[in-house]
Amino acid sequence: QKEVEQNSGPLSVPEGAIASLNCTYSDRGSQSFFWYRQYSGKSPELIMFIYSNGDKEDGRFTAQLNKASQYVSLLIRDSQPSDSATYLCAVKGSSSYKLIFGSGTRLLVRP
Amino acid sequence: DARVTQTPRDKVTEMGQEVTMRCQPILGHNTVFWYRQTMKQGLELLAYFRNRAPLDDSGMPKDRFSAEMPDATLATLKIQPSEPRDSAVYFCASGPLSGQGVPDTQYFGPGTRLTVL
Repeated sequence: QKEVEQNSGPLSVPEGAIASLNCTYSDRGSQSFFWYRQYSGKSPELIMFIYSNGDKEDGRFTAQLNKASQYVSLLIRDSQPSDSATYLCAVKGSSSYKLIFGSGTRLLVRP
Repeated sequence: DARVTQTPRDKVTEMGQEVTMRCQPILGHNTVFWYRQTMKQGLELLAYFRNRAPLDDSGMPKDRFSAEMPDATLATLKIQPSEPRDSAVYFCASGPLSGQGVPDTQYFGPGTRLTVL
């Protein structure tokens, strides 16, 4: 079992819809959770982080964390074609320096 | 607009040649990471520095890779000799230490795309 799992996609949604990206992790001691966006040929760009159970909103993005179920999700409201990218979930333990990355979910937003 | 910078952005070399990649972390960040990304393996951690000290290089092939941080503004990753299987994109990332003294968020540089023929 991989430490951080993501569906590779592609997840295809129409413009204006809500895109829901999911990530599960195996280490119950994980404390910090990050979402990175990576456009093709570019570097990962940090878009959200979340530490506590519940929702965290930033503009059109909402990160959701459920530690009991060991999953973290990213919702993108009013999806735009410019949101088309690969979204990487990353998880870190409380005393660890390592970010464990998932393999990413490719999102396609259709005009 | 503070950013991690990396040079060169692209490097094409022949097998057996030495390759040096450079990274300038964001000013004030005291952790630096080197990653390699391939389609097959995704993002792999190669090395980690804290306050310029190498704390983990277990992800690197020791016989050919080396990573150093000669000062707070420069981190280097060297491959000698290079092999075709080293072809990948190499990212440097930097970040601050959290209040608990461990690395937290990481910000990535633009990467060096290495092709070894």
